Amino acid sequence: SQQGEEDPQALSIQEGENATMNCSYKTSINNLQWYRQNSGRGLVHLILIRSNEREKHSGRLRVTLDTSKKSSSLLITASRAADTASYFCATTGFQKLVFGTGTRLLVSP
Amino acid sequence: DTEVTQTPKHLVMGMTNKKSLKCEQHMGHRAMYWYKQKAKKPPELMFVYSYEKLSINESVPSRFSPECPNSSLLNLHLHALQPEDSALYLCASSLYPEASGETQYFGPGTRLLVL
Repeated sequence: SQQGEEDPQALSIQEGENATMNCSYKTSINNLQWYRQNSGRGLVHLILIRSNEREKHSGRLRVTLDTSKKSSSLLITASRAADTASYFCATTGFQKLVFGTGTRLLVSP
Repeated sequence: DTEVTQTPKHLVMGMTNKKSLKCEQHMGHRAMYWYKQKAKKPPELMFVYSYEKLSINESVPSRFSPECPNSSLLNLHLHALQPEDSALYLCASSLYPEASGETQYFGPGTRLLVL
């Protein structure tokens, strides 16, 4: 399977803390995306990082990519209760997204 | 309009029923997708439509039958499903099917329960 692995599987933090989740994948990629899913509903695209980029920022999100280690991380700074969700990395093949196993983040007030 | 809509939100059906899921987007996207997601698992790709033609079928059982009547609509026809087919069915779309790494826009999903 091309599916990526994410860790941790679950993460519980307090509001204001930072949350870091990691994604490892198996094949060479052109780019990697991160998506968020609230309560088993639709996924929302957060950020895309290309294979020639090492770091990318969007608001409170920071994504890194290490193609030599086939890994990526997503950092959410100053977390809020509204950040409670599942987060998936996704590698892109032709016409396909292959999602990682996901990290369930719980942010407590 | 930057939204993908799906109907119904919830569906309960027996194993002998025939039902359909509907997905609609008005963003001019030329690729549309069906995913299946079980609880606490990532979405798994089922079908891809590219310019209204089926381009990828991920070895999905024939009791699931996709249809793309036009560039804005995607249906998933269900017949003789099994209880293990109970899941969240997600529709998504993206602008250019031939581009790698296109952002996909997801609908809210249809939660299906097969009794």
